[in-house]
Amino acid sequence: KAGVTQTPRYLIKTRGQQVTLSCSPISGHRSVSWYQQTPGQGLQFLFEYFSETQRNKGNFPGRFSGRQFSNSRSEMNVSTLELGDSALYLCASSPRTSGRADTQYFGPGTRLTVL
Amino acid sequence: AQSVTQLGSHVSVSEGALVLLRCNYSSSVPPYLFWYVQYPNQGLQLLLKYTSAATLVKGINGFEAEFKKSETSFHLTKPSAHMSDAAEYFCAVTTPQRVQGAQKLVFGQGTRLTINP
Repeated sequence: KAGVTQTPRYLIKTRGQQVTLSCSPISGHRSVSWYQQTPGQGLQFLFEYFSETQRNKGNFPGRFSGRQFSNSRSEMNVSTLELGDSALYLCASSPRTSGRADTQYFGPGTRLTVL
Repeated sequence: AQSVTQLGSHVSVSEGALVLLRCNYSSSVPPYLFWYVQYPNQGLQLLLKYTSAATLVKGINGFEAEFKKSETSFHLTKPSAHMSDAAEYFCAVTTPQRVQGAQKLVFGQGTRLTINP
């Protein structure tokens, strides 16, 4: 089975621009979560999508948004980029089995640099 | 609210020595606990997970972890370190979902493991 794929792997943007990152989950997985990883703040939860609905959101400003399509693929968007948005953005998928501890499987990440 | 504390941002051991990475958690409900490893320029790979079954959990690459409720700990160990174990290790906590609702992992700050030849 193919793993979680994320595109692009590297991205360079300038302040004020917007960016869209894409994530394709493992086949059959219906939940996609997004995390931001920075040296200062570590790994922080952004949001989770399941059945095309946002189920949970972390403590990030409204400039961070996402969506999920009917094939479970997900995109996240960051508008009006700031220097502090430079980070590794990780996507994780899970099957979302009710009543069980679903393991989240991570993609390789998208490295975003904001200049 | 849940939280995870990893004691020691950097751990250095000699090849062949015992690896011990410490993780303490805080959770108001019975937690599910995970250890992930991250190699440079890569995503996170699951090493092992605790889901309220056996308290001693065996994972990949010879790693294991023991859940100790009385100590709120989930330390990761490996009897003999290998050069290929050099990476960053993350402990994470979540709660079991009884309905298909929200789910998120709360991570510790990570421990960078260095292996000396």
